[in-house]
Formats: sequence, C-alpha cells, structure tokens
Amino acid sequence: GEDVEQSLFLSVREGDSSVINCTYTDSSSTYLYWYKQEPGAGLQLLTYIFSNMDMKQDQRLTVLLNKKDKHLSLRIADTQTGDSAIYFCAESKTGTALIFGKGTTLSVSS
Amino acid sequence: DAMVIQNPRYQVTQFGKPVTLSCSQTLNHNVMYWYQQKSSQAPKLLFHYYDKDFNNEADTPDNFQSRRPNTSFCFLDIRSPGLGDAAMYLCATSRDGGGRSYEQYFGPGTRLTVT
Repeated sequence: GEDVEQSLFLSVREGDSSVINCTYTDSSSTYLYWYKQEPGAGLQLLTYIFSNMDMKQDQRLTVLLNKKDKHLSLRIADTQTGDSAIYFCAESKTGTALIFGKGTTLSVSS
Repeated sequence: DAMVIQNPRYQVTQFGKPVTLSCSQTLNHNVMYWYQQKSSQAPKLLFHYYDKDFNNEADTPDNFQSRRPNTSFCFLDIRSPGLGDAAMYLCATSRDGGGRSYEQYFGPGTRLTVT
C-alpha cells in the first residue's frame, strides 16, 4: 500500500468546517505536515506537528494526530471559498525528505 | 519577496531534446530538493543537495541529472525527455538544524510539456 493515504475529494459549503483525513504507515515519522496547493502554484506549508504532540491549533486550522492509529487530520473552521485547493499530507523522519499523499481536493461552494 | 524562484514557469520541449529547469533561492538554505509531480499524483522526490553533496533517490531514472553551482542555484537537467516525463517539477529548500529545520519551502513549479 501507499505510505501516505488521503481521500481524493471533499466538498463543503462556505462557513462549514472541513475535515481532511490522512493515514500513514511509518511509525518512526518525526514530523507530519499539511501543505496547500492552489491551481498552478507550488506547495505552501500550512502547518506541521511533531510526532510527540496530539493536537496543534493555528487560527482556523486544527491538526489532530492519533499516533496509535497513524491517523492525521486537518480541520478548517469557517471554510471560505479561498480555501478551495488541494491539500497534501506529508510525513518525514529527521533528516529525510517528505513523503506526500496524493492530495485531497477541497471544493467550497457558496 | 519571492523566496524560491523557478524558471521558466512553463516549458515545452521535444521528445529527446535536452532541457534544463532552473531554481534559485534567496533564503540561503543549505538543502535544495527537486520533486516531480504528475497529474493527480503526489510529488515524488528525485534528488536533493545537502550543500554540495548530491543525494539521488534510488528509483530516479538516469535521464535526470542535477547541478548546484552555488548555494543559491540548482538546475534539473533532463537529457532525453520522454512523453512520460511531462509533469510539474517542484523545487524546494530547507535549512539544516534543529526544530523546524526540515520545513521545506517550495517554488511555484515548472510545468514541462513534451511533444
């Protein structure tokens, strides 16, 4: 199976919360990341979490990590149309490159 | 304000004709990466430079080469592009050290078309 798996699509209405889920296989991953990619653009780091943390909140973004289940989620509160993009989950161990999931396309309707 | 710059943004090349993609950075980061991202797929690391040390991924084809003449610039050379090499190529940088040192900063990418 893939190292990092994500659902491919998520559709929400403006103002609702979005939850994007990710599972990974490498229990020795040290850092877990969420990147955002808008059409035609590169990857923008949204937030990251160390593997010894359970939760991280940054304004509208909340990251939850269940290390036992190797499950990572990104919650976007009060989702706006400008949040429409592809969201990539990624993992890395110290000193190694990122392993990305295939990305979740978030579509926000008004 | 641009931190990681990639040129050109769009590149069209012919089958078998060598092509070079360029990346520069203003962050003075010591690590630079090249990723290949095909349509609807995850970015895949091709290789990276840690300072001047080149690190190739095991499954990167020999057709792909890289050069890093100084800290700021890194080039991706595709010696004989095939149709399967059409993709977005992403350059990224990171700074060595503790804490958030493995946070990678990405450029906007170069979309390569092979005709």
